[in-house]
Amino acid sequence: KQEVTQIPAALSVPEGENLVLNCSFTDSAIYNLQWFRQDPGKGLTSLLLIQSSQREQTSGRLNASLDKSSGRSTLYIAASQPGDSATYLCAVRPISEGGSEKLVFGKGTKLTVNP
Amino acid sequence: DAGVIQSPRHEVTEMGQEVTLRCKPISGHNSLFWYRQTMMRGLELLIYFNNNVPIDDSGMPEDRFSAKMPNASFSTLKIQPSEPRDSAVYFCASRSEKLFFGSGTQLSVL
Repeated sequence: KQEVTQIPAALSVPEGENLVLNCSFTDSAIYNLQWFRQDPGKGLTSLLLIQSSQREQTSGRLNASLDKSSGRSTLYIAASQPGDSATYLCAVRPISEGGSEKLVFGKGTKLTVNP
Repeated sequence: DAGVIQSPRHEVTEMGQEVTLRCKPISGHNSLFWYRQTMMRGLELLIYFNNNVPIDDSGMPEDRFSAKMPNASFSTLKIQPSEPRDSAVYFCASRSEKLFFGSGTQLSVL
């Protein structure tokens, strides 16, 4: 059974710092991996989608990498801003689900960027 | 586009009552998902539809839960009878390539 783990559960950094969020998954047989952002009381917003054949994706100050063989992904946030404060979740789409579009989510890392 | 629209935003009910949650997906999206989020278990997929047809309902906890999608622009998730352990935030999402989430329904069963 695929499990997704995100460590740490919470992270606090000063504004301007570059930071890395980590995601690990137990089964490397995945179709893709997505990073999401969730603001308090809101739904999730998809940030980046990495297909299993890709190594990384970039959007603005965000860069996500995927090392499928080791079951790891990182989300790099450059020059962090207070507006980046949110919970960041990663999710994988496992091949073991037989083509199902089911995503398995980690529990997230709550990021606080202090002015 | 207004995004994925869910109603109600908050629902407080008593144990044993029927609860119906509603979702309008983004126009043109062929897949619709119902997720439940709790502190203990995180986000869990309950059921998803492709072209209005239920594809994977393995996450539906028990027979008290049912979901329908009568057309491409509307879906419901029903809990009957509701129990306190059903208290959670219920999200609807629809998909093109990426997944787009609604703002969720905060359900409290007393």
